[in-house]
Amino acid sequence: AQSVTQLDSHVSVSEGTPVLLRCNYSSSYSPSLFWYVQHPNKGLQLLLKYTSAATLVKGINGFEAEFKKSETSFHLTKPSAHMSDAAEYFCVVSGAGGGADGLTFGKGTHLIIQP
Amino acid sequence: KAGVTQTPRYLIKTRGQQVTLSCSPISGHRSVSWYQQTPGQGLQFLFEYFSETQRNKGNFPGRFSGRQFSNSRSEMNVSTLELGDSALYLCASSRQGALKNTEAFFGQGTRLTVV
Repeated sequence: AQSVTQLDSHVSVSEGTPVLLRCNYSSSYSPSLFWYVQHPNKGLQLLLKYTSAATLVKGINGFEAEFKKSETSFHLTKPSAHMSDAAEYFCVVSGAGGGADGLTFGKGTHLIIQP
Repeated sequence: KAGVTQTPRYLIKTRGQQVTLSCSPISGHRSVSWYQQTPGQGLQFLFEYFSETQRNKGNFPGRFSGRQFSNSRSEMNVSTLELGDSALYLCASSRQGALKNTEAFFGQGTRLTVV
């Protein structure tokens, strides 16, 4: 079985300051991990993915995430927040072992950007 | 290249009715997965179809069913609608599906309201 815990339901930062969205995962297999973003009334867009290559993954729009196996974490960061980053962010795990898991989503973190 | 298309975008149904939602994946993608998104439960995996066969199934009652056609288009059916079925239903397409950890592309969803 696999699970994802997003440690913060809401994160508020000022424009131009760093962003940190925290994610811990649990998986019986070597996981693939993803971050998706959902803007209001829009579908989900892939920000970045980890699939057992480099542990530091760079994504779109200046986001990156670091896979830390010892901490079972996959936190999302961005050096400088922009107003357009305001959205809901989902950490997602996909197991390689099959079963009925599909993609397992965290509960989401609502990112608020203060002007 | 066209993205994932879900129709209709909005739907209002009465309790006890049934509903069919449609998803057209990206050309060349053989996997279609369905997810239910609600404020309380977040994003939950319903099922995945690959080459017209259901490959994975989440923990939903039998009222939720689906199918996939030879052109990879997929339909999801919910029978005997309940108020709790009100949700955003998202469809995701990928080349190989979650088991192969390939990137999933999401449609904008169908917003179902049951009254």
